[in-house]
Parts: sequence; structure tokens; C-alpha cells
Amino acid sequence: GAVVSQHPSRVICKSGTSVKIECRSLDFQATTMFWYRQFPKQSLMLMATSNEGSKATYEQGVEKDKFLINHASLTLSTLTVTSAHPEDSSFYICSATGGVSNQPQHFGDGTRLSIL
Amino acid sequence: AQRVTQPEKLLSVFKGAPVELKCNYSYSGSPELFWYVQYSRQRLQLLLRHISRESIKGFTADLNKGETSFHLKKPFAQEEDSAMYYCALRNNNDMRFGAGTRLTVKP
Repeated sequence: GAVVSQHPSRVICKSGTSVKIECRSLDFQATTMFWYRQFPKQSLMLMATSNEGSKATYEQGVEKDKFLINHASLTLSTLTVTSAHPEDSSFYICSATGGVSNQPQHFGDGTRLSIL
Repeated sequence: AQRVTQPEKLLSVFKGAPVELKCNYSYSGSPELFWYVQYSRQRLQLLLRHISRESIKGFTADLNKGETSFHLKKPFAQEEDSAMYYCALRNNNDMRFGAGTRLTVKP
């Protein structure tokens, strides 16, 4: 089946650091990738949708300058949390879908980000 | 705007008992609905989707447009079904998730 690899799985860093999270589709071309944020015991909240080669579409309330998304190829999207602060600590999950109509989303394992 | 509601945060049943996880949605168009499952320490994975009309791991879900529901059912729950279940609605590329229901199947 389709596999999405997300790296790193865990990041602990100091406040003010910028952190990059990678999301790769391993065996299919991901025309669209999604980034979600999940707080403890809560559901996934869509942050942004990115299509390969174009700018990401951010959900209301998500700062595009804070959460930089790049989807430069059909197999890789990156989320960079710039100048991270403790309130950015969360579980970030990416998913990807290919170009075939009605194809479901495939999820990565998620990245737990802890800002000290 | 599309919205997915899972009214139960927690659901506990005994092994062998029937289980139903509720999902209601609000959407003006023709919805595409999914159930995702997340077992402990594993990634979110697709369980089933309404267009497939299939049974996965004994689970089924029927789309009821009149009641705007897509409840997930299994006649005989197993301990390995214990997990977090999310109902989701997709409109084009926009996927919205419910809050999730944690199912615990007791021995």
C-alpha cells in the first residue's frame, strides 16, 4: 500500500529555534499534501494544503509566516516552524494523496515537537 | 461549511458485544465519508470509505443521507479493536475530521 514517511518523529529544541519537518511519499506521486496539528486528546486540525509546485493554502488562523510549507516535488513537502515557542509544541501530522480521483489520504507517523 | 460530529469521546464495551460509533455530518453537497483508525502508537490509517461499501475487520458503515449520519458498526467487538476512531468528510481535497471516539473493548 501507499506509504508516507515523516521525519523526524520527535524533536526537542530551545525556544527561538526553527524546526523543519519532512513528509515524503515513498511509492506514489503526491500531488497534494496536507499538514495537520493535533493537540493532546483532540482531533486533527488542518493547517494547510499544498499542491506540488504552487503555494500552500492555509486555514484560517494559521500564520503562513510562522509555518512555512514547501512542496517542491511530487514526493516531498516540508513544514518549517520558524522561531518556535513553547506554544508551538504539538503533534504535527502530514498526509498525502495522489492525482487519481477519489484516492484516499495516506498519513505519516507524525512528529512530536517539544519547545523548551 | 462542512462539519463532522462524533458525539462520544469515549466508548467502552465488552468483548463480543456489538459496537456502534456515531458520526453525523453537515454538508450541503454530496459527501465523501471515511472512517480512520489509530491504534496505540501507530499512524492514522484508513479503515473504510462509504463509496467502497465494504466490510473491513468486521466493521461496516452506511451513509444515511436523510439522517446525515455515517455510523460505524461491528456486531461482535474484539479486544484488538480498541483504538481511536475518526470520522472524516472530504470535499474535493478538503478533509475534515471529527473529534474522535476512543473505543475500549474489555475482556
